[in-house]
Amino acid sequence: GAVVSQHPSWVICKSGTSVKIECRSLDFQATTMFWYRQFPKQSLMLMATSNEGSKATYEQGVEKDKFLINHASLTLSTLTVTSAHPEDSSFYICSAPFDGRPYEQYFGPGTRLTVT
Amino acid sequence: SQQGEEDPQALSIQEGENATMNCSYKTSINNLQWYRQNSGRGLVHLILIRSNEREKHSGRLRVTLDTSKKSSSLLITASRAADTASYFCATDARDDKIIFGKGTRLHILP
Repeated sequence: GAVVSQHPSWVICKSGTSVKIECRSLDFQATTMFWYRQFPKQSLMLMATSNEGSKATYEQGVEKDKFLINHASLTLSTLTVTSAHPEDSSFYICSAPFDGRPYEQYFGPGTRLTVT
Repeated sequence: SQQGEEDPQALSIQEGENATMNCSYKTSINNLQWYRQNSGRGLVHLILIRSNEREKHSGRLRVTLDTSKKSSSLLITASRAADTASYFCATDARDDKIIFGKGTRLHILP
């Protein structure tokens, strides 16, 4: 099956710094990718839709200036958490659907971000 | 935004028993999916059921869908310790998005 990778799998950073998380579709192209955030013992909350060649679209309540998304190519989307604070500590997961089969999405393994 | 609501939020059963989790959603859907997530790990896709299907089986999993009630259930038969995980239903929304429910934490007791 299709594979989506994320890098890094975990990261610890100091408050005020920025962190970049990569999401790659390894064996298929994805013009759209999705970013989710998951707090402990909670569900996945959709943050934004990453669109190759155009701006990302953000869900209500998600600060676009804080969570910068760049869909650099058909296989890579990046999420940069800028000026991170402890409350940004979370599990970030990306997903990528096969083009033309939106219900068939493949999820990355997630990135655990801890801001100290 | 959250589309689905699972119940129960947490479920503990003895190994070998059947586990049933329910999911309700708010808007019309094309598909409903169930995922499993082991603690702190990524998601594993379990099963997809289309809006025109009422029941689907995969191994020890049985999923039902009632579009008139906007609800679905996931039944795991003959549970095993390895089934301990969180289970989420997810529905499709506009613009190819998948929206997750709150999840059920299942704990299989030895």
